[in-house]
Amino acid sequence: IVLTQSPATLSLSPGERATLSCRASQSVSSYLAWYQQKPGQAPRLLIYDASNRATGIPARFSGSGSGTDFTLTISSLESEDFAVYYCQQRSNSITFGQGTRLEIK
Amino acid sequence: QVQLVESGGGLVKPGGSLRLSCAASRLTFSDRYMSWIRQAPGKGLEWVAYISNSGSNTVYPDSVKGRFTVSRDNAKNSLFLQMNSLRAEDTALYYCVTTTGAGPLGHFDNWGQGSLVTVSS
Repeated sequence: IVLTQSPATLSLSPGERATLSCRASQSVSSYLAWYQQKPGQAPRLLIYDASNRATGIPARFSGSGSGTDFTLTISSLESEDFAVYYCQQRSNSITFGQGTRLEIK
Repeated sequence: QVQLVESGGGLVKPGGSLRLSCAASRLTFSDRYMSWIRQAPGKGLEWVAYISNSGSNTVYPDSVKGRFTVSRDNAKNSLFLQMNSLRAEDTALYYCVTTTGAGPLGHFDNWGQGSLVTVSS
């Protein structure tokens, strides 16, 4: 299953709302997760099974979708949110999207 | 706080072999499914191996099947990745990760800091 993330790069300012998309080449049900990776660090799990926040993840992060179309929303960007975000499916083997870079405008 | 510490990376020639280890602590290791994920320099994430908590079930993507073998020693809280017939495209930072989730395979809730493998002549 191929996961396509869009946009490749998103330029926003602190306080703005971020909407990141992940589209699957076939249905993955709700078996989709989101990760955040900052430079020089390992990825961190944000959202699992499409809409469940992982332990310790702030409420400004939310996930939605099912089937083939998924969204990660950050309601009000803080400085520490600027990073690369990956989606991952586990419905059929395991694959990751290519990532969306969220940069400061 | 779960701790995962990888070791064993280094420079190896094409066609060579390498064995990565991961020492796990602050978790009940024998209860946890585990995986290895890699990231080539400046690139995205690629899953390369999955192992059940008992070690009886392993899964690999086609890109490494037949070349990589994942195993574990629950008595020593350790995970391993034996990599044979290495290619230049296997050059990456290899992460040891805990794997969780009801249903198929899983998502990855704890990550080590990675061990760098470089395949070059």
